[in-house]
Amino acid sequence: RKEVEQDPGPFNVPEGATVAFNCTYSNSASQSFFWYRQDCRKEPKLLMSVYSSGNEDGRFTAQLNRASQYISLLIRDSKLSDSATYLCVVNIRNGGKLIFGQGTELSVKP
Amino acid sequence: DTAVSQTPKYLVTQMGNDKSIKCEQNLGHDTMYWYKQDSKKFLKIMFSYNNKELIINETVPNRFSPKSPDKAHLNLHINSLELGDSAVYFCASSQGRDGYTFGSGTRLTVV
Repeated sequence: RKEVEQDPGPFNVPEGATVAFNCTYSNSASQSFFWYRQDCRKEPKLLMSVYSSGNEDGRFTAQLNRASQYISLLIRDSKLSDSATYLCVVNIRNGGKLIFGQGTELSVKP
Repeated sequence: DTAVSQTPKYLVTQMGNDKSIKCEQNLGHDTMYWYKQDSKKFLKIMFSYNNKELIINETVPNRFSPKSPDKAHLNLHINSLELGDSAVYFCASSQGRDGYTFGSGTRLTVV
């Protein structure tokens, strides 16, 4: 079983749609959680950290359910510029190595 | 100023050669990493250094040798390159509980 699992997609959605990505992780000792965004042929960039209380940054909302070992990312009012691969990431020990999911590809169409 | 810079950006070389990739960060972070992203886009950690000390060494062939002359630099030397080494190699740095900052990647092609 992979340590971090995501639906690879691709998700093809029209502009303005709401899209949700899910992710599960296997290690219950995981301490920190993140969503990264990776554009084609570019480096991953931190989109947002994920907290147990849930957090929002503009059109993006992240949720963490520690009991189910489940992380989600919701994107509202999708823009063409949101097209990218979204990586679910966990950290077993604060300051330790990040473990990446395989990424979910999103394509937003006009 | 680029926060994490790695060179070269592209590297095409023949099987059996030895090559190095350099990485420098100007963020003052204590920890640096090398990750490999293969053709299936999976990012996997190879090495991690904290203040010049090796702290993570995943199952990587010993043809790969990291070197950290100081906490701002982490280089990767690869001996006897093989076709399967073709990938994108990302350097990254972090501090504490924050996420990583990645370099722009080195696309290695072994022919």
